[in-house]
Amino acid sequence: GAVVSQHPSRVICKSGTSVKIECRSLDFQATTMFWYRQFPKQSLMLMATSNEGSKATYEQGVEKDKFLINHASLTLSTLTVTSAHPEDSSFYICSAGTGSTTEAFFGQGTRLTVV
Amino acid sequence: GQNIDQPTEMTATEGAIVQINCTYQTSGFNGLFWYQQHAGEAPTFLSYNVLDGLEEKGRFSSFLSRSKGYSYLLLKELQMKDSASYLCAVIDSNYQLIWGAGTKLIIKP
Repeated sequence: GAVVSQHPSRVICKSGTSVKIECRSLDFQATTMFWYRQFPKQSLMLMATSNEGSKATYEQGVEKDKFLINHASLTLSTLTVTSAHPEDSSFYICSAGTGSTTEAFFGQGTRLTVV
Repeated sequence: GQNIDQPTEMTATEGAIVQINCTYQTSGFNGLFWYQQHAGEAPTFLSYNVLDGLEEKGRFSSFLSRSKGYSYLLLKELQMKDSASYLCAVIDSNYQLIWGAGTKLIIKP
C-alpha cells in the first residue's frame, strides 16, 4: 500500500525557536496534503490543506504566519512551526491524497514539545 | 511489529446496519479513533474510545475491548452519504498514531 513518511516522530525545542516537520509520500504522487493538530484525547483538527505548487488553504483560526506550509513537490510537504511557544506543544500529523480515491494515507505523526 | 487490521471493502444497503471491525496489535494502548473520509476530502473525526464498552453517538456507535485488541464501528439507518472510507487508528504507548488502511464502505440503494 501507499506509504507516507513523516519526520521527526518526536521533537523537543526551546521556546522561540522554529521546527520543521516533513511529510513525504514514498511511492505515489500526493497532489493534496492535509496537516492536522491533535490535543490529547481529542479529535484531529485540520489546520490546512495544501495542493502541490500552490499556497495552502488554512482553516479558520490557524495563523498562517506561524504555521508555514510548503508543498513544493508531489512527494514532499513541510510544516514549519515558527517562534514556537509551549502552547504549540501538540501532536501534528499529515495525510496525503491523490484527490481521486477514498484511500487515506497518513504519516506517523510528530509529537512536538516546546519547553 | 505493530498492526491494525480492518476489512478492505464492505457493501451494505441503504437503511440497513453495518459493522466495521478493527483488530490491533500495538505496543501499549492510549486510545482508539474512528475517522470517516470521503473521496478528496480530509478525514473527519467520528469517535474516540479509551475504556471498554460502547460509545453511542446518533447513528454511529463505537465499541472497544482492550483485552481482545478489538473495536468495531456500527452504522445504523445507512444513508447514501455514508459511502466513504472508515479509518481505525490506535495511539500506542509512545503516543504514536498507528493507522489502519481503511475500509471502503459502499452503500447501495
